[in-house]
Amino acid sequence: DAKTTQPNSMESNEEEPVHLPCNHSTISGTDYIHWYRQLPSQGPEYVIHGLTSNVNNRMASLAIAEDRKSSTLILHRATLRDAAVYYCILTSGGGADGLTFGKGTHLIIQP
Amino acid sequence: EPEVTQTPSHQVTQMGQEVILRCVPISNHLYFYWYRQILGQKVEFLVSFYNNEISEKSEIFDDQFSVERPDGSNFTLKIRSTKLEDSAMYFCASSARRQGRVNTEAFFGQGTRLTVV
Repeated sequence: DAKTTQPNSMESNEEEPVHLPCNHSTISGTDYIHWYRQLPSQGPEYVIHGLTSNVNNRMASLAIAEDRKSSTLILHRATLRDAAVYYCILTSGGGADGLTFGKGTHLIIQP
Repeated sequence: EPEVTQTPSHQVTQMGQEVILRCVPISNHLYFYWYRQILGQKVEFLVSFYNNEISEKSEIFDDQFSVERPDGSNFTLKIRSTKLEDSAMYFCASSARRQGRVNTEAFFGQGTRLTVV
């Protein structure tokens, strides 16, 4: 699977938007961009995924650059419950079954 | 909302003993997975299971590990002879479609913390 690069940590204030970046310069045409998060002492949780177009769901939005070499997960109004490690993961059509988790971004939310 | 359930939440075992970690995936899901996370480290893929056989496994999943779906609801991970370095959080996951090949959402359980002493 192609590699992703994320900042180790980010800090934001409660009720403000959060933009979590992810670089994936070696992404191939069939790679999907997935985001998962892991709250403290819990299993990973699916957030959102996309291929080329921007995506919105009840949890977040995913903005994908036109060249697909980067993407941004947007939390529109962060709450304390959004404090977690966020993982940007690429999955390829011809790749392995398992998700390859990196170190992710540790998001800290200040009240 | 449907969820993946894992038992026990915490298991302590002596080195060399066999352990079985149990999971109940979401009922209509077809693909099942085990991951582990050593304290302070990344989540690591162990194995995927589909149609009653292993679909893919990582280098970590050696002969000491085995998986089974003994009935229509449970999915188990067995470690034959535990080592100290097997101490980790083990997560079960399931999905309706295959991870990595088709865009799909994986549902993870809360994990079993295995401590080998």
